[in-house]
Amino acid sequence: EAQVTQNPRYLITVTGKKLTVTCSQNMNHEYMSWYRQDPGLGLRQIYYSMNVEVTDKGDVPEGYKVSRKEKRNFPLILESPSPNQTSLYFCASSLFGWDTQYFGPGTRLTVL
Amino acid sequence: KNEVEQSPQNLTAQEGEFITINCSYSVGISALHWLQQHPGGGIVSLFMLSSGKKKHGRLIATINIQEKHSSLHITASHPRDSAVYICAVSRPIQGAQKLVFGQGTRLTINP
Repeated sequence: EAQVTQNPRYLITVTGKKLTVTCSQNMNHEYMSWYRQDPGLGLRQIYYSMNVEVTDKGDVPEGYKVSRKEKRNFPLILESPSPNQTSLYFCASSLFGWDTQYFGPGTRLTVL
Repeated sequence: KNEVEQSPQNLTAQEGEFITINCSYSVGISALHWLQQHPGGGIVSLFMLSSGKKKHGRLIATINIQEKHSSLHITASHPRDSAVYICAVSRPIQGAQKLVFGQGTRLTINP
């Protein structure tokens, strides 16, 4: 089954404790992206990747890191989480970037 | 001003009604997407359009490239259609594609 998986689905953590949210797709897609969704602000892009070892900043990259060492995986790293990073996070993938988007199930992160 | 504007922001209707959600954008695009997000969070792609019209079951999506406008129609609406509908556009920027989202339309269908 074609899918994008994210883990964990829910996470409560404390300020400053490094964490990683994993994202994996099994469709051999070139493009992968991370978004955060906040009430009143909608979905905003954090980082995107056009291919292995090619990543670039989106609209709200501050406080986040990403890597793309393999085509299927695109982890999101929060080196020192802060309460303003409490949000719902989505990973997405697509073959060419402009075509049909496949979203992961979301990760609800709370930073205390 | 947002690059992608949706209207209405909220819509409540009775079961069986014909629903229209509108999306206007102000930038050049490669494609336009309609997404659905049910309570509980998951996002599903309904349509990807670059021209014309697409139909899937009771859902119809149209796009007018010249007017920079798209509509999502739901015929014979049902309570299970209650969800947030999000319009997004793929923008070509510096050799890459950026997805820009509207604020979403919250649709509630009452039985």
